[in-house]
Amino acid sequence: AQSVAQPEDQVNVAEGNPLTVKCTYSVSGNPYLFWYVQYPNRGLQFLLKYITGDNLVKGSYGFEAEFNKSQTSFHLKKPSALVSDSALYFCAVRDQGRDSNYQLIWGAGTKLIIKP
Amino acid sequence: GAGVSQSPSNKVTEKGKDVELRCDPISGHTALYWYRQSLGQGLEFLIYFQGNSAPDKSGLPSDRFSAERTGGSVSTLTIQRTQQEDSAVYLCASSLKWASTDTQYFGPGTRLTVL
Repeated sequence: AQSVAQPEDQVNVAEGNPLTVKCTYSVSGNPYLFWYVQYPNRGLQFLLKYITGDNLVKGSYGFEAEFNKSQTSFHLKKPSALVSDSALYFCAVRDQGRDSNYQLIWGAGTKLIIKP
Repeated sequence: GAGVSQSPSNKVTEKGKDVELRCDPISGHTALYWYRQSLGQGLEFLIYFQGNSAPDKSGLPSDRFSAERTGGSVSTLTIQRTQQEDSAVYLCASSLKWASTDTQYFGPGTRLTVL
C-alpha cells in the first residue's frame, strides 16, 4: 500500500543550526515527492518537489531535499534555521505506478520549532 | 486571481444545518481538489475535478457530502445535515492540469465548526 511516514511529530532546533525533517515513503512505482509548509491558520504552501534527475532539489526559503531511492527517503533540510521557519511541514508522494496517480498521499506532518 | 481563494474563511453552524463552501482556483487551472484537515492531522482527500467532471469521488465521507464545479472554475462543496464530526478545515487546491507531476496550490481553507 502507498504510504508516507514522517517519524517525528516535532523537531526542535536552535536558530542558526542546520535542520532536517524526515520523510520516508512506500509506493509501487516510481515516486513523485513534494514538501509543503503550513503556517498557523494558513493554507499549505509549496516548497519543492522531486520529479526526476538530480537527487538534490532546491526550493523556496533556502530549503532543499534529497531523494534517496535505496532508503526510500526524501528528507527536508536547511543549512541554517530561522525562527520564521517554525511551522508544520508535510511530505507527500504520488505513485507513478498507479492509475490514480493524481492523488497525493500525505504524511501526518512534523511541527518544526526554531528557538532563538 | 493571484492564488486560490476560499470562502468563507470561518463557518460556525448548528448540527443538522446545510453548509456550502466555495473555492475559486487559480485562473487557467483545470484540475481542482478538495481536502479535509482535522485538528493536528494530515490531509484527507475528498474529491477531484478535471474541468467540470469529478472522476474520483471516492474520498467523500458519506452521501451528505457533494461537490460541483461549473464553468471549469469555481467549485462548491456542500455538506448536508452537518454533524459534529464534520468540524475541520476544508482545503481546496488547484493545479494547471491533472498530470501527476503538476504542483497543487492551496487556498487558505475554510474552518468549519459544527456545534
